[in-house]
Order: sequence, then C-alpha cells, then structure tokens
Amino acid sequence: QKEVEQNSGPLSVPEGAIASLNCTYSDRGSQSFFWYRQYSGKSPELIMSIYSNGDKEDGRFTAQLNKASQYVSLLIRDSQPSDSATYLCAVPRNSGNTPLVFGKGTRLSVIA
Amino acid sequence: GAVVSQHPSWVICKSGTSVKIECRSLDFQATTMFWYRQFPKQSLMLMATSNEGSKATYEQGVEKDKFLINHASLTLSTLTVTSAHPEDSSFYICSARPTGGRNGYTFGSGTRLTVV
Repeated sequence: QKEVEQNSGPLSVPEGAIASLNCTYSDRGSQSFFWYRQYSGKSPELIMSIYSNGDKEDGRFTAQLNKASQYVSLLIRDSQPSDSATYLCAVPRNSGNTPLVFGKGTRLSVIA
Repeated sequence: GAVVSQHPSWVICKSGTSVKIECRSLDFQATTMFWYRQFPKQSLMLMATSNEGSKATYEQGVEKDKFLINHASLTLSTLTVTSAHPEDSSFYICSARPTGGRNGYTFGSGTRLTVV
C-alpha cells in the first residue's frame, strides 16, 4: 500500500517569510508528485506537479524532488495571509489513470 | 483548463433518504472518475473508481450497495448515497485526470452532505 507522509502542522510563518512544506513517500518507483492547496470547505486545487529530481519553480512556489531520499517539498516565498490553507502532497497509486494517494496535509498559517 | 462540474454543492437530507451527487467533465472526456470522501480535519480518502460503461471498483470497507456509482457516459458520473445516516455526513469530492500526458488531476468543487 503506497503511503504519503506529511507533518500535519500547524506551520505558522510571518508574512513575507518562506514556508517550507515537506512530504515523504513509500514507493521508490513513484514517478509523479503533486502539491494541492485546499482552503477550508473547498476542494483541492493544483499548485505544482513535479516529475524529475531537482527544483521546479512557478512564481512564488518551488517544488523540490529527491527520489533517492523519497522526499518532495514545496517552498512558498514571500508568504501571504491568503496562502493560509492546508497543503496536500499526493502521488498516483500506480502508473496510468489511477487515483491519487494523499498525505494527511499540512496546515499553513501565515501571520500578518 | 479541464473542468469538472459537481452538483449539488451542499445538501441536507433526512435519515433514510437517498441523495445523488453528479459530476460532469465539461471540456474533456472522463473515462474514469475517482470519488473521495473527506471528514473534518482529515485528508481525502478514496471511496471508489468509476469507469464509463462498467462497474465501479470500491475501496475496502466501502459498501457498494450503499454508495451507488453510475458512469453512463464519458462526461457524467454519479454517486448516490442510499439510506443515508448521520455518519454519512461528509464532504464528497470527485476527480478525473484529463488524458494527454502527465497532467494534474482535476477536482469537482465538492458536495457537503449533512444527514439529519
């Protein structure tokens, strides 16, 4: 059974700081990784996807993947109060069109 | 981008009644739809996978006779909660993965079900 682990938080950072969210996964063969943001009472929205080792940047967001360590992280630069949400790390269960396996999510609170 | 439209967004029903939740893919064909349930302060848990034109695959512990899934077309999948009980109150979310590469999964807006 594929597993995804996240620290549930809450993680509190001051406005303008860098928020660092971490995730580990159990299946060394996993190939694709997703970060979703979920506001309270809403459904998840895709923030970043990453497939290769290294960093991938998109605006204030950077995803980092280290397959050897089975570790994927999300950095949020210049954190804003609107970034306060739960961040979910997810990995497809198998290859192809299979469901995502989610971590428990990390709750981020950006303090103004 | 790919959109999955989910209705209703919220519903309150009495114990013992049935509720149907619909998910439509608006600009792509969803041969497969994933149905999740999320209880407060918990993550998304997969309930079942529906495939167009065939029976759904249910996760262990999910009652297939209670949670009826129909995927009659390439753009519509429905989840019916039958004989609902208060413990079925939850946030139900559908998801699909548009074909054509390693795209992210698209989620419906979710349905908040409250059984009283």
